[in-house]
Amino acid sequence: EDKVVQSPLSLVVHEGDTVTLNCSYEVTNFRSLLWYKQEKKAPTFLFMLTSSGIEKKSGRLSSILDKKELFSILNITATQTGDSAIYLCAVTNAGGTSYGKLTFGQGTILTVHP
Amino acid sequence: DAMVIQNPRYQVTQFGKPVTLSCSQTLNHNVMYWYQQKSSQAPKLLFHYYDKDFNNEADTPDNFQSRRPNTSFCFLDIRSPGLGDAAMYLCATSWDRGSQVYFGAGTRLSVL
Repeated sequence: EDKVVQSPLSLVVHEGDTVTLNCSYEVTNFRSLLWYKQEKKAPTFLFMLTSSGIEKKSGRLSSILDKKELFSILNITATQTGDSAIYLCAVTNAGGTSYGKLTFGQGTILTVHP
Repeated sequence: DAMVIQNPRYQVTQFGKPVTLSCSQTLNHNVMYWYQQKSSQAPKLLFHYYDKDFNNEADTPDNFQSRRPNTSFCFLDIRSPGLGDAAMYLCATSWDRGSQVYFGAGTRLSVL
């Protein structure tokens, strides 16, 4: 069974801090790893990673995948209160009827104080 | 310009009273998914349609059914809701299995 573990489960920082969120995974037939941000609504897409070592960047957010060690990190620099959310990591499977299914981690709750 | 639209946003039902949640999409995507997200938990896939092909997850209770009458619409039917079915239900779509997934805003279901 595919499995995704995120750490830490929660994180409290002050505005301007830099944070690193971790995601490790086990998947029988890896296709991609995705990061989502979830506020009090549906998850919104941040990044999709398929190749090792290639950093994806969007403003203050960046992410990288290590397919050898089976993990990914999401970095947020110069955090703002608007970054407060649950950050979800998910993997997709490339095999059989599980193909494309998102298996989510339990999420990291990030709280940014002014 | 919402692309995946779920109705209603909030639904209250009574224990045992059937309820239907709806999802529509303007993306013309082949795949539509239903996820259940309970409080403080990760979303969990219930089932998905690839075009007209229905794929049920092994651990999805029989109480949950789905219909996809056409490409644009998909419904989640809960035949006899229990208190444990109170959750956020997320509809999502993708062009193909494995391609980027787009979520709707969700329907929060309460069971009294």
